[in-house]
Amino acid sequence: AQSVAQPEDQVNVAEGNPLTVKCTYSVSGNPYLFWYVQYPNRGLQFLLKYITGDNLVKGSYGFEAEFNKSQTSFHLKKPSALVSDSALYFCAVRDIRGTAGGRGGADGLTFGKGTHLIIQP
Amino acid sequence: EAGVTQFPSHSVIEKGQTVTLRCDPISGHDNLYWYRRVMGKEIKFLLHFVKESKQDESGMPNNRFLAERTGGTYSTLKVQPAELEDSGVYFCASSHGLAGRSNEQFFGPGTRLTVL
Repeated sequence: AQSVAQPEDQVNVAEGNPLTVKCTYSVSGNPYLFWYVQYPNRGLQFLLKYITGDNLVKGSYGFEAEFNKSQTSFHLKKPSALVSDSALYFCAVRDIRGTAGGRGGADGLTFGKGTHLIIQP
Repeated sequence: EAGVTQFPSHSVIEKGQTVTLRCDPISGHDNLYWYRRVMGKEIKFLLHFVKESKQDESGMPNNRFLAERTGGTYSTLKVQPAELEDSGVYFCASSHGLAGRSNEQFFGPGTRLTVL
């Protein structure tokens, strides 16, 4: 079974400071990793993904994430936070091969609980 | 390009009633997914369509939930009869066809279901 942990319910950062939203994952095989953001009264919006290759992935709105296989982590980062970055952030994982048995089950993403990011002016 | 749309945005029903949620995916997306987020918990996968076929329904909680995607376009998720624990936000997502599991999914705004 696959799982995602986002250890912080809320992260508070002053505007202009760097931010990090933590994510660790567990899969039986190799992962595809995703970050999504949800603004109030909106759906989840894709930010970035890790498929293969360079461990540092760049995405929308100046966000980036670093894949660390040994630590099974995929932390989201931004060098300088904006007040408009305040939102709910979700990390998600998908095993590249699906579940054991070759059925290809568990096609959906497995999400963490989400982290509220609050950027203070 | 229009995004994923869902209807209604909110639904309040009484226990025992029936509710049908609708999702219109992005045009041309063969993959359609349903998810649910119960208050304060993780977003949970319910099922996955490829065109009109159910590819994976391992996340469906019980037989009170029925999903359809006739013609491979829009999808409906019916809950009958609704129970209190069915309350939550139901998200629909779609992704492009055959590129596989690495494709990002595009989410709709969700339907907030409240069962009283």
